[in-house]
Amino acid sequence: DADVTQTPRNRITKTGKRIMLECSQTKGHDRMYWYRQDPGLGLRLIYYSFDVKDINKGEISDGYSVSRQAQAKFSLSLESAIPNQTALYFCATSDPRISGANVLTFGAGSRLTVL
Amino acid sequence: GQQLNQSPQSMFIQEGEDVSMNCTSSSIFNTWLWYKQDPGEGPVLLIALYKAGELTSNGRLTAQFGITRKDSFLNISASIPSDVGIYFCAGLQETSGSRLTFGEGTQLTVNP
Repeated sequence: DADVTQTPRNRITKTGKRIMLECSQTKGHDRMYWYRQDPGLGLRLIYYSFDVKDINKGEISDGYSVSRQAQAKFSLSLESAIPNQTALYFCATSDPRISGANVLTFGAGSRLTVL
Repeated sequence: GQQLNQSPQSMFIQEGEDVSMNCTSSSIFNTWLWYKQDPGEGPVLLIALYKAGELTSNGRLTAQFGITRKDSFLNISASIPSDVGIYFCAGLQETSGSRLTFGEGTQLTVNP
C-alpha cells in the first residue's frame, strides 16, 4: 500500500459543486500539505498543517479550505468549484525529525476537472 | 509567486545522451532537493543537498548545491527511456517556515 493515499484519483465535476479531496498517510509524519500542479507552473502550495491543531495558508489558498481530521488525514475542499481550479492536486507529508530536513513524500495525485 | 527559475522547460534527447538542467534564484537557499515525476504519479525525491558546494550522486544522477547558495544543477548521464518524466528542483529558505519553493519543472523526453 502507498504511504500517502489520495482519493479520488480522478474527478470530473460542474461549476458550483462542492468537492472534497482526501489524503491519508501511514508514514506517521506530523506535517501535511496540499499542492496544485499546472503545466509550466510547477507545484504551488495551497494549505499546510504542522500538526492536528495547526492550519496555515499557502500561496494560493483562495477558493479552498482544508481540514486536519487526525494526524494521518488531511482533506482539501473546494466549496464552489470553478473551471480555473481544473488541475492536478497533490498531497504530501514530511517530518524533519525523521529526514533531517523538510523532504516531502507525495501521493499519486488527484486530477480534478471542473466543467 | 515562484522564486526559482528552472531551465530548460523541456528537452528532447536521444537515448545514451547526457542531460543537464538547473535552477537559479536571486535568493539564498539552505537546502536543495531534486524530484522526478513519472507520468500519472507524484514526484519522488532523487537527491537532497544540504551544504553549499556539495556534490551528490545517485546512480547516473549527479546534483550540486551552488557555492553561492542561489543555484543547483542536476546531470543525468547515459540517459535511458525510463528517464522520461518531469524533473523539479525545490529549495528551502531559512525564512520560509519550512515551506519548499518549487521550480517550474523540466519535461524530459528520451527517444530510443
